[in-house]
Amino acid sequence: RKEVEQDPGPFNVPEGATVAFNCTYSNSASQSFFWYRQDCRKEPKLLMSVYSSGNEDGRFTAQLNRASQYISLLIRDSKLSDSATYLCVVDPAGGGNKLTFGTGTQLKVEL
Amino acid sequence: EPEVTQTPSHQVTQMGQEVILRCVPISNHLYFYWYRQILGQKVEFLVSFYNNEISEKSEIFDDQFSVERPDGSNFTLKIRSTKLEDSAMYFCASSDRGYYGYTFGSGTRLTVV
Repeated sequence: RKEVEQDPGPFNVPEGATVAFNCTYSNSASQSFFWYRQDCRKEPKLLMSVYSSGNEDGRFTAQLNRASQYISLLIRDSKLSDSATYLCVVDPAGGGNKLTFGTGTQLKVEL
Repeated sequence: EPEVTQTPSHQVTQMGQEVILRCVPISNHLYFYWYRQILGQKVEFLVSFYNNEISEKSEIFDDQFSVERPDGSNFTLKIRSTKLEDSAMYFCASSDRGYYGYTFGSGTRLTVV
């Protein structure tokens, strides 16, 4: 089983749609979880941390289910500018020494 | 907004040559990292650095790789004898608390020919 697994997509959605991405991780002892965004040939940029209680930042909502080792990201009211690859990222040991990245899910928002 | 600066943005080198990739982390950050991303593949951890020593390194980070913080601002990655398979985008990152997530630099694209 891969350490962090994501559906590669692409997800092609119309502007204004709601889209959800899922991710599973293999190490049940993992401590911290993040969603990063990566534009083509650019660096990853932190979108949001993910907490067990769930958290929201504007149009973005992240959820963590530790029992199922499952992380999700929901994007509401998609914009053209949301087109990017969304990376599920896990910190296995906590403390930030090392991040494990998924391969990413590509999102294309269309007119 | 503070940023991590990497130079050069693109480097082409011949197989077997040494390369040094340079990074200037955010000034008040204490934790530094190198990651790489081979074209079309996932971002992979190479090494973390704190308090002037390596905190953790991956299997990729073998004897051909080394890191250094030669002064108060720069953080470098050296590859002693490059191989074709070292061709990748190398990202430097820094963090003030580690577990809050990192800020990545814009990367150095290394092409080994």
